[in-house]
Amino acid sequence: KAGVTQTPRYLIKTRGQQVTLSCSPISGHRSVSWYQQTPGQGLQFLFEYFSETQRNKGNFPGRFSGRQFSNSRSEMNVSTLELGDSALYLCASGQGGSYNEQFFGPGTRLTVL
Amino acid sequence: DQQVKQNSPSLSVQEGRISILNCDYTNSMFDYFLWYKKYPAEGPTFLISISSIKDKNEDGRFTVFLNKSAKHLSLHIVPSQPGDSAVYFCAASFSGGSNYKLTFGKGTLLTVNP
Repeated sequence: KAGVTQTPRYLIKTRGQQVTLSCSPISGHRSVSWYQQTPGQGLQFLFEYFSETQRNKGNFPGRFSGRQFSNSRSEMNVSTLELGDSALYLCASGQGGSYNEQFFGPGTRLTVL
Repeated sequence: DQQVKQNSPSLSVQEGRISILNCDYTNSMFDYFLWYKKYPAEGPTFLISISSIKDKNEDGRFTVFLNKSAKHLSLHIVPSQPGDSAVYFCAASFSGGSNYKLTFGKGTLLTVNP
């Protein structure tokens, strides 16, 4: 099975712009989660989608949003970018149950100038 | 409020010896725990997990121990190999309600010296 794929792998934006990141889960996985990794904070949970519904949301401002499509692919959008949004954004897919592992993609490295 | 803590930012061991990575948690609702390994420029890779009904789970060179009373878990790697050098993250979740997220520690950088 192919793993989780994320596009693009690298992105450079300027403050005030918006960005959309894409994630394709492992075939058969219906749950997609997004995490932000920064050197000081580790991996922070953004949100989780299952069958096109957001089931969980982390403590991030409303500038961070996402959606999931009927084929389980997911997108994450960040509007009005700030310097502090520079991070590695990781997508993970899973079966969606409480005791299921999540499998991560390689991440998108976002740099905000 | 950090609910999952990895108090050692780094650990260095000799090839062939045991590596022990530690993790503490504060939320008693957590009932499922996972370890991930991460190399630079890659996403985390799932290693091993344990549910709260067990106190030990083993997979090849990797063993995870859970001490619920102490809210502590550890990952043992025996024998350690240079390819094990990576950042190791402890993560936790609980099955109640609508919680489907993983809460991660900040990671421990393991260096295995040849």
